[in-house]
Amino acid sequence: GAGVSQSPSNKVTEKGKDVELRCDPISGHTALYWYRQSLGQGLEFLIYFQGNSAPDKSGLPSDRFSAERTGGSVSTLTIQRTQQEDSAVYLCASSLARMNTEAFFGQGTRLTVV
Amino acid sequence: GENVEQHPSTLSVQEGDSAVIKCTYSDSASNYFPWYKQELGKRPQLIIDIRSNVGEKKDQRIAVTLNKTAKHFSLHITETQPEDSAVYFCAARRGNRDDKIIFGKGTRLHILP
Repeated sequence: GAGVSQSPSNKVTEKGKDVELRCDPISGHTALYWYRQSLGQGLEFLIYFQGNSAPDKSGLPSDRFSAERTGGSVSTLTIQRTQQEDSAVYLCASSLARMNTEAFFGQGTRLTVV
Repeated sequence: GENVEQHPSTLSVQEGDSAVIKCTYSDSASNYFPWYKQELGKRPQLIIDIRSNVGEKKDQRIAVTLNKTAKHFSLHITETQPEDSAVYFCAARRGNRDDKIIFGKGTRLHILP
């Protein structure tokens, strides 16, 4: 079966433009995470969706960042008015609803703001 | 909220020697502790995990230990090989399914020939 799929793989955008990053989780996975990884750095938590619960948005760095998850499946991370410091790899992960189960990562979207 | 500290940030060991990476967590309610390996240019992948009802788990050359009293857990890699070179992330999660996984900042492991 397919794993977590993210698109696009690479995105170059001009400073000030808006971008949308897409994540298709593994079918049946109700938990979905977004993380940001700057060059050579760790996994910075951004947002977490779990079923019909209100998303945990505590990691979003500013109000320029937002995310939604439609129909409990596909998720879109939107960054408005992009800045150069937004340049990073954005990773999506999904897992089953059961507690303490493995989270599977997508290949990431490398965002470059020029 | 949960905070996970990971040390060291970089570790170099001779091929064949052992490597140890240590993590501490802040939330005593955390009860799931996975470890992920990220090779250069690739996605993180789970290599081993441990739940709070056990103190140690082993899978071939990899082992993880957990001390809940000290809120400390460690990854041990024995007989290191060149393919062990990667970045390793520890993580912690509480038992409530509405809780997120929080990662440490990672350890870059270099296996020296």
